[in-house]
Amino acid sequence: DSGVTQTPKHLITATGQRVTLRCSPRSGDLSVYWYQQSLDQGLQFLIQYYNGEERAKGNILERFSAQQFPDLHSELNLSSLELGDSALYFCASSVTSGPGELFFGEGSRLTVL
Amino acid sequence: GENVEQHPSTLSVQEGDSAVIKCTYSDSASNYFPWYKQELGKRPQLIIDIRSNVGEKKDQRIAVTLNKTAKHFSLHITETQPEDSAVYFCAATLTGGGNKLTFGTGTQLKVEL
Repeated sequence: DSGVTQTPKHLITATGQRVTLRCSPRSGDLSVYWYQQSLDQGLQFLIQYYNGEERAKGNILERFSAQQFPDLHSELNLSSLELGDSALYFCASSVTSGPGELFFGEGSRLTVL
Repeated sequence: GENVEQHPSTLSVQEGDSAVIKCTYSDSASNYFPWYKQELGKRPQLIIDIRSNVGEKKDQRIAVTLNKTAKHFSLHITETQPEDSAVYFCAATLTGGGNKLTFGTGTQLKVEL
């Protein structure tokens, strides 16, 4: 158990819909990351937050948004969903904002029908 | 941005043999290179990492080497065991501006009895 909690574990929805994925980092970790893992593209970095502020941004679509709240949990919002958004979304956390070990959650599997 | 290439995509070895996975990166400013192991249906977990001021690092049966001039780094697993079967991801990032880890596409390692 990494100490990172993600909900929901599984989510099935339809195209055009909006979903919210939630992540609670390990106790004491200030950084939260979101990654998308699909079969043909490996682990794609979406975004990093550190202590409530956006710290680094990857190739995150405009239809996607995220935030980190004062209690350090984070939410990833995915809107106008397309079939291609079906993937496993991982949240990870770390102590600092810089390079170091990431502790991944179990992931949220999103299926868009 | 950073681009990480990883080879081979699949690797099959006999139990007890060694396995080598190679990665190249594009940004010469990258200075942190972790390796993650992901078992089937599980979350990625860090197995070893190396920073650019070190050429080699070893942890029991696992070692990583870094060639900054050639911009490549490798994972070496000796005396492979069935429990080493998993997908291995290399990654690279640079300090400053957050921790934007760029992952390789993964190597499916199968250790056969």
